Amino acid sequence: DQQVKQNSPSLSVQEGRISILNCDYTNSMFDYFLWYKKYPAEGPTFLISISSIKDKNEDGRFTVFLNKSAKHLSLHIVPSQPGDSAVYFCAASAWGSSNTGKLIFGQGTTLQVKP
Amino acid sequence: NAGVTQTPKFRILKIGQSMTLQCTQDMNHNYMYWYRQDPGMGLKLIYYSVGAGITDKGEVPNGYNVSRSTTEDFPLRLELAAPSQTSVYFCASSPGQLEYFGPGTRLTVT
Repeated sequence: DQQVKQNSPSLSVQEGRISILNCDYTNSMFDYFLWYKKYPAEGPTFLISISSIKDKNEDGRFTVFLNKSAKHLSLHIVPSQPGDSAVYFCAASAWGSSNTGKLIFGQGTTLQVKP
Repeated sequence: NAGVTQTPKFRILKIGQSMTLQCTQDMNHNYMYWYRQDPGMGLKLIYYSVGAGITDKGEVPNGYNVSRSTTEDFPLRLELAAPSQTSVYFCASSPGQLEYFGPGTRLTVT
């Protein structure tokens, strides 16, 4: 029972274009969503997050969109750069109901940005 | 600030051996977590702690044990290692909603 799903294992885009990474979830109790970026042989690092009371959060080249009715979120990277090549994990928590901060992760999407 | 540190970085165990993966954080976070990541998969929660003296099971706790005697340390114990425990293990700490991860321990059980 995968509560957070990233259905695209990989994505390849040209430098300067937009990268769109998608994530779906099933648990309506999730109220906080995060994207993490992971390089090989390193731990995941936080990229951007969004609370369920918002539908968009922007930080520089990174924007996360949340569609609660569809239980879907997406990460947009514009413009994409070769240094963005990494594995991106979507994660969700039910902070308001559990107060444990436990994150449920998707399987990850490997992004390759070609020069 | 070192953040979250994990030792060792790599380890090879024989089936049936035991070991402890160490995790320390210097950010005074109450929440700490252990995850494992298998190839092509996301991170699965093994155990977590909401404060010193308090631990609870995550999604995949079988074959593991934890303790949390101090705020800083959250060691993960593997008893009777099995090939299915070959994985990369990540420790994380959090002040609340955002988790900060260590660099990981790559464990191979043969």
